[in-house]
Amino acid sequence: DTGVSQNPRHKITKRGQNVTFRCDPISEHNRLYWYRQTLGQGPEFLTYFQNEAQLEKSRLLSDRFSAERPKGSFSTLEIQRTEQGDSAMYLCASRPSGAGIDEKLFFGSGTQLSVL
Amino acid sequence: KQEVTQIPAALSVPEGENLVLNCSFTDSAIYNLQWFRQDPGKGLTSLLLIQSSQREQTSGRLNASLDKSSGRSTLYIAASQPGDSATYLCAVYNAGNNRKLIWGLGTSLAVNP
Repeated sequence: DTGVSQNPRHKITKRGQNVTFRCDPISEHNRLYWYRQTLGQGPEFLTYFQNEAQLEKSRLLSDRFSAERPKGSFSTLEIQRTEQGDSAMYLCASRPSGAGIDEKLFFGSGTQLSVL
Repeated sequence: KQEVTQIPAALSVPEGENLVLNCSFTDSAIYNLQWFRQDPGKGLTSLLLIQSSQREQTSGRLNASLDKSSGRSTLYIAASQPGDSATYLCAVYNAGNNRKLIWGLGTSLAVNP
C-alpha cells in the first residue's frame, strides 16, 4: 500500500446534484479524517473516524453532508443537493492509533469538486 | 480559541539561500505541532512533527524548532532548491484534543533557479 487513495480526483457537478467521494486509507491506519480546503486557506476539519465509529463532526457541517466508514476500512463522503459554496478540495487523511510519531497524518491527493 | 498564524504569507528567494518560515500560535497548551508541504492542486505531505516536550526535529535539509512558551515554531530550510517551491503549512493539536488539527494559512515559497 503506497498511501492514502482518493477517488475521483476531480468532480464537476451541477447545483442540486448529489456527489459521493471515496477514500481508501493506509491499510493499518484505524483513524481517518476528512478535511475541506479552499484556495489560499488551510484545511478545515469536517469529520473523524476511529475504526467504523464517527467520533467527531464539525458543527460547520450541514445536514447535507454525511460520511461513513462501514467496515473500518474505506470511507465515503456524500454531499446532497450541492451548492456552489461546496466547491473545494476535499482531503482525506489517515494515521495509526498511538502517540508520538504515529500522530503524523498521511493525506491523499484530494478530490477537487466544482459545482456549476 | 487557538489561532495559528504564519508569516510571511509569501516568500521568493534565489536558489541556494537558507531560509526561515515562521509559525505562531496563541495558546501554548498544545499537544504537538506539525509542518506540512503542499504542492499546487495536491494533498499535503507531512514534513516534521514536534511533540510539545521537544525543542526541535530534523529531516535532511529541514529543521523545525518549537518554543511552546512563546507560542512559536520555525521551519529552517538549508540550501534551498527550486524543488522546494510549494506552500508550507503548520498545524497544532491542542492539548486534550488530538483529533482536530488547527491550521495556519501557509507560506507560499518560490525558489528561483
